[in-house]
Amino acid sequence: AQSVAQPEDQVNVAEGNPLTVKCTYSVSGNPYLFWYVQYPNRGLQFLLKYITGDNLVKGSYGFEAEFNKSQTSFHLKKPSALVSDSALYFCAVRDMVGKSTFGDGTTLTVKP
Amino acid sequence: DTGVSQNPRHKITKRGQNVTFRCDPISEHNRLYWYRQTLGQGPEFLTYFQNEAQLEKSRLLSDRFSAERPKGSFSTLEIQRTEQGDSAMYLCASSPTGGPTGELFFGEGSRLTVL
Repeated sequence: AQSVAQPEDQVNVAEGNPLTVKCTYSVSGNPYLFWYVQYPNRGLQFLLKYITGDNLVKGSYGFEAEFNKSQTSFHLKKPSALVSDSALYFCAVRDMVGKSTFGDGTTLTVKP
Repeated sequence: DTGVSQNPRHKITKRGQNVTFRCDPISEHNRLYWYRQTLGQGPEFLTYFQNEAQLEKSRLLSDRFSAERPKGSFSTLEIQRTEQGDSAMYLCASSPTGGPTGELFFGEGSRLTVL
């Protein structure tokens, strides 16, 4: 069975500082990893994904994520946080039939 | 393309009543998924369809829950004899393919409150 862990319920950063939201995974076989963001009263929106290739993937809104196979991690990063980045972030792994398993989410708060 | 649409957005019902949620996926997407999300947790898989065929149901989906996608377009999720533990956000998502590489497109969810 596949699983995802997001060890931090909450991440607080100051605007302009770099941010990292952590994710570790457990899968049998190749990992297909995703990050989604959820703003209040909105549906989940896709940010980026790792399928294969470069370990650093770039996505929407200036976000990027680093895939580390040895550490089974897929941390979300952004060099300079914005107040508007404040939201709930979910890491997910997708299996071969397309079913996704999500972490419990991390609330990111960016303070001015 | 108006995205994934879910109705109603909010439903308040009394315990024991039946409720039905509807999901209209992106038109060319043949995969449709239902998830349930409670406060402080990530979305939990309930069931999914490939066109009109329901391919998998989670053990979370008791026999009070039923889902259909009759013509491979919209889908309905019905909960019979609702219980307070059914209170949650019910999310629908679609994707163009069934493989592992594509992202999901989510609707805004249908929030159920069972009194």
